[in-house]
Amino acid sequence: KAGVTQTPRYLIKTRGQQVTLSCSPISGHRSVSWYQQTPGQGLQFLFEYFSETQRNKGNFPGRFSGRQFSNSRSEMNVSTLELGDSALYLCASSLVDSGSPISYNEQFFGPGTRLTVL
Amino acid sequence: GDSVTQMEGPVTLSEEAFLTINCTYTATGYPSLFWYVQYPGEGLQLLLKATKADDKGSNKGFEATYRKETTSFHLEKGSVQVSDSAVYFCALTNAGKSTFGDGTTLTVKP
Repeated sequence: KAGVTQTPRYLIKTRGQQVTLSCSPISGHRSVSWYQQTPGQGLQFLFEYFSETQRNKGNFPGRFSGRQFSNSRSEMNVSTLELGDSALYLCASSLVDSGSPISYNEQFFGPGTRLTVL
Repeated sequence: GDSVTQMEGPVTLSEEAFLTINCTYTATGYPSLFWYVQYPGEGLQLLLKATKADDKGSNKGFEATYRKETTSFHLEKGSVQVSDSAVYFCALTNAGKSTFGDGTTLTVKP
């Protein structure tokens, strides 16, 4: 089974631009979460999508948005980029078994997209 | 909100030494607890998990026990190897939302 894939792997943008990152979850996984990883702030939760609906959201400004498609693929968009948005953006998918509480589910992480804002 | 606190790193050990990485958490309800590992240049992968109090997760010689009374989930390994060098993250999932610790960098020297 193929793992979680993220595209692109590397991206360089300038301040004020916008960017869209893509994530393809493991086949059959319906939950997709996004995280921002930086040396100073660690790993921070952005949001989680399940069945095309945002189910949970972290404490990030409205410039950060996402969506999920009917095939569970997800995109994350950041508008009006700032220098501080430079980070590794990780996507994780999870198999949400209707018979198990969602807290039990292991997350499978992709390799990340390294975004550099100049 | 929920939070996870890990012991600060980096941690440097010699091969075959005993490893402990402390992790404590704050959460309402009954979270599940996880340890993830990130090897250089790779994404995070699950190392072990525990879903209720007194559960012990174990994998690849690593162990951690869910201690509700001390709100802790310390990671231990009896004899580390050079290949264990990585960043280790303690995490909890509560009502579908995950919270991660800051990560602890482990370097094992031959």
